[in-house]
Amino acid sequence: EAGVVQSPRYKIIEKKQPVAFWCNPISGHNTLYWYLQNLGQGPELLIRYENEEAVDDSQLPKDRFSAERLKGVDSTLKIQPAELGDSAVYLCASSLAAGVDNEQFFGPGTRLTVL
Amino acid sequence: KQEVTQIPAALSVPEGENLVLNCSFTDSAIYNLQWFRQDPGKGLTSLLLIQSSQREQTSGRLNASLDKSSGRSTLYIAASQPGDSATYLCAVTTYNQGGKLIFGQGTELSVKP
Repeated sequence: EAGVVQSPRYKIIEKKQPVAFWCNPISGHNTLYWYLQNLGQGPELLIRYENEEAVDDSQLPKDRFSAERLKGVDSTLKIQPAELGDSAVYLCASSLAAGVDNEQFFGPGTRLTVL
Repeated sequence: KQEVTQIPAALSVPEGENLVLNCSFTDSAIYNLQWFRQDPGKGLTSLLLIQSSQREQTSGRLNASLDKSSGRSTLYIAASQPGDSATYLCAVTTYNQGGKLIFGQGTELSVKP
């Protein structure tokens, strides 16, 4: 069974440019998470989807970040415009359902460098 | 607000040594605690999950303990090997947050041959 797939694995852009990350969760997983991991820190939740609905986006900087999960499967996280401080690893995770009893499986992440 | 802290931030040990990684959390009202491993450029792999009602979990050379009342967990690695070199993260889950994981900053472990 394939795990969580993310692309691209690495992205280098100049500040003020837009960038998008894509995530394909494990088949059948209804809940999808985007986490931000700064260097030397643990991941922090940006947004959680249950099917196609964003049910927790309180940590998503909505002035420049947006996300979507059309049809409740794949998801895209976008930053426009990117800033130097956005350089980090963006992790996607999925679980069968939301809630504390559902294990989250993580993808390899997208490492973003903003110059 | 729940905060998770891991000490030390980095650790270097010779091969074969037993070691302990520490994790503390500020709010004892957790549902469970997990230890993850992260290799460079890779995602997170779950190592052990301890429910709030449990005191410890074991998997091979790994043993994780939980003292919920004092807000502490330890990950014990026996007979360390160079392949254990990675960053180890602990995370807690609290009630009514849809399974949201709150992570510590991690301990970067290096096991020297």
